[in-house]
Amino acid sequence: QVQLVESGGGLVKPGGSLRLSCAASGFTFSDYYMSWIRQAPGKGLEWVSYISSSGSTIYYADSVKDRFTISRDNAKNSLYLQMNSLRAEDTAVYYCARDHVSGIWSGYYDYWGQGTLVTVSS
Amino acid sequence: SSELTQDPAVSVALGQTVRITCQGDSLRNYYASWYQQKPGQAPVLVIYGKNNRPSGIPDRFSGSSSGNTASLTITGAQAEDEADYYCNSRDSSGDLVVFGGGTKLTVL
Repeated sequence: QVQLVESGGGLVKPGGSLRLSCAASGFTFSDYYMSWIRQAPGKGLEWVSYISSSGSTIYYADSVKDRFTISRDNAKNSLYLQMNSLRAEDTAVYYCARDHVSGIWSGYYDYWGQGTLVTVSS
Repeated sequence: SSELTQDPAVSVALGQTVRITCQGDSLRNYYASWYQQKPGQAPVLVIYGKNNRPSGIPDRFSGSSSGNTASLTITGAQAEDEADYYCNSRDSSGDLVVFGGGTKLTVL
């Protein structure tokens, strides 16, 4: 069965850095676009970034551009999010999510991890 | 701010039909997908594309679209349908993803 397991969240000071990981299993990871989506406490969902199956195409939300970097290691079935220059408003549960369609980008997410909480506070 | 607009809250009597809407210019060109999220849980895809349900989603959930508005309809709402519902689609450029602000559904 498809599983996505995030890790790497925690408490970090403003201006600090954190690297999130998402371990994928139960499907051919290298065939799918993957995304990071976050949810601030008590708020709605916010798309953060996506990466193509090969890693050659990447997009970011304006709110994280130039601070966050998405990457993947298909040999390790893993997705990453390097977060630098963190701000209080980056506090959220971060989910990794699989695009619904193999090989192309649909923008629909059929599997989500359980999320990892990132708290940015002094 | 979100480019997709949803009503913050909607209520429905048990067994009745409810429609949750999502408005945005990008919906004129792209279909929306819909997610159900219960407290403390990750979102679950319930509708995608024109009107497609993933395996395991009850057929009381359906989707439709007209102009700049996408709709999620629950026909015969059940107590377990009480949740937050989010729409998402591509943005107007077609390259990015946007989510609506979410609708809290209460089943009375």
